[in-house]
Amino acid sequence: EIVLTQSPGTLSLSPGERATLSCRASQSVSSSYLAWYQQKPGQAPRLLIYGASSRATGIPDRFSGSGSGTDFTLTISRLEPEDFAVYYCQQYGSSSFTFGPGTKVDIK
Amino acid sequence: QITLKESGPTLVKPTQTLTLTCTFSGFSLSTSGVGVGWIRQPPGKALEWLALIYWNDDKRYSPSLKSRLTITKDTSKNQVVLTMTNMDPVDTATYYCAHSRSYYDSSGYYQLPGFFDYWGQGTLVTVSS
Repeated sequence: EIVLTQSPGTLSLSPGERATLSCRASQSVSSSYLAWYQQKPGQAPRLLIYGASSRATGIPDRFSGSGSGTDFTLTISRLEPEDFAVYYCQQYGSSSFTFGPGTKVDIK
Repeated sequence: QITLKESGPTLVKPTQTLTLTCTFSGFSLSTSGVGVGWIRQPPGKALEWLALIYWNDDKRYSPSLKSRLTITKDTSKNQVVLTMTNMDPVDTATYYCAHSRSYYDSSGYYQLPGFFDYWGQGTLVTVSS
C-alpha cells in the first residue's frame, strides 16, 4: 500500500500570500494518479486537482498542482479568505487508494 | 446535476454489521467509466478510503479492511450499498459516498476512475454499546 506524507502539518499564512503544500509518496505513483482536495469544517471534501495537475471544474486558477513520481505539490498563488481550510492529497495509482494526513492552512 | 446521499443507522453496537446505502442521481452506474466509492473520516481525523465499485462491477477494497467490507450496486435503483462487519468503537466516523469517473490525461491516455469529484453530505455513524 502506498503511504502518503503531507508537509507541513499546519501552514500559517496571511491572505494574499502564496501557499506551497507538499505530498510525498512511499513509492512512485503511476501515471500521476494524484488528486488534491479541500475540506472546510462540517463540509464534505471538494476536488481541486486530479492527474497531479488538472484543475477540476470550477476551480480558480490560483490553485495549481505539479509533480510526478513520489513528490507532488499544491500551490495556491494568492490566498483568499475562503482558502483557509484543510487540504488532502490522494493517490489512486495502485489497486488500493490512500489519502494523506492533511495540511491545515490557517490564518496567521 | 450529480448528487449523492448516504443513509443508514446513526448508532450501531459493537460486533454488529453496518449497512450503508448511497442513493445517487444525475448519472448511471451502468455507464462505462463511472465508479462510486466510500470514504470515512473519524471525528477530527483524516480521510480514509474504504472501497470503490466500477460500472463493470469490478471492485476495490482497502487492504486493511477488506475482510470486513462488501460493496455492491443496484443499477436499477441508482444505489450502492456498503456493508462493514464486526463494528468497533474505532469505526465511529462520518461515512461519505462519492462519484468517480474515467478521464483522458494530458497525453491523451484513458485513465480509470480513482479520484472523487462529487461527494455526498456524509452520515455520522457512532459505534457504542
